[in-house]
Amino acid sequence: GQNIDQPTEMTATEGAIVQINCTYQTSGFNGLFWYQQHAGEAPTFLSYNVLDGLEEKGRFSSFLSRSKGYSYLLLKELQMKDSASYLCAVVDSNYQLIWGAGTKLIIKP
Amino acid sequence: IAGITQAPTSQILAAGRRMTLRCTQDMRHNAMYWYRQDLGLGLRLIHYSNTAGTTGKGEVPDGYSVSRANTDDFPLTLASAVPSQTSVYFCASSDQRGGIDTQYFGPGTRLTVL
Repeated sequence: GQNIDQPTEMTATEGAIVQINCTYQTSGFNGLFWYQQHAGEAPTFLSYNVLDGLEEKGRFSSFLSRSKGYSYLLLKELQMKDSASYLCAVVDSNYQLIWGAGTKLIIKP
Repeated sequence: IAGITQAPTSQILAAGRRMTLRCTQDMRHNAMYWYRQDLGLGLRLIHYSNTAGTTGKGEVPDGYSVSRANTDDFPLTLASAVPSQTSVYFCASSDQRGGIDTQYFGPGTRLTVL
């Protein structure tokens, strides 16, 4: 079967750095997305990785290792507004998105 | 309209009733999707449409139907609602003709079936 694993919840301090991991087992791989979802709102696009390595975009970076079936989202200089759920999604061999359950990130002052 | 809109925002529905959730996008995206999101589970695809006039079944299609008469609209119908269909429903669209097939989401419909 297809499976995406993320931690259910993480807590971090304002101004710090946090790494949210995602491991996947899917039928084929055509890229991996990270989305941010604030409570009661729609998911919004953060990043896309299809090749191994690190993609940096401001305070957010995303890393992919296809051989390990692993990705992480790195958030630097955390702000209170970063409190949200972070969703990992893999594009499978049928070009469908397979979603993880999401990681709820709690930022404390 | 800017992006994707969904209606209603929320709804309480008696079991056995018929309900249509509306979704409209103004980005001229060719592909559209319906997901449900339940606590502790990832987004699950109900139905999708790669282009106007075509639809396909996702992971959890039973009890739902869709139509795609034009590019902009993609309504989701529950023919006879059951309590297990209580969920938050998100509509999304993407431009598959571009490079990265990023999906953009509507604000969601919170549906409660009693």
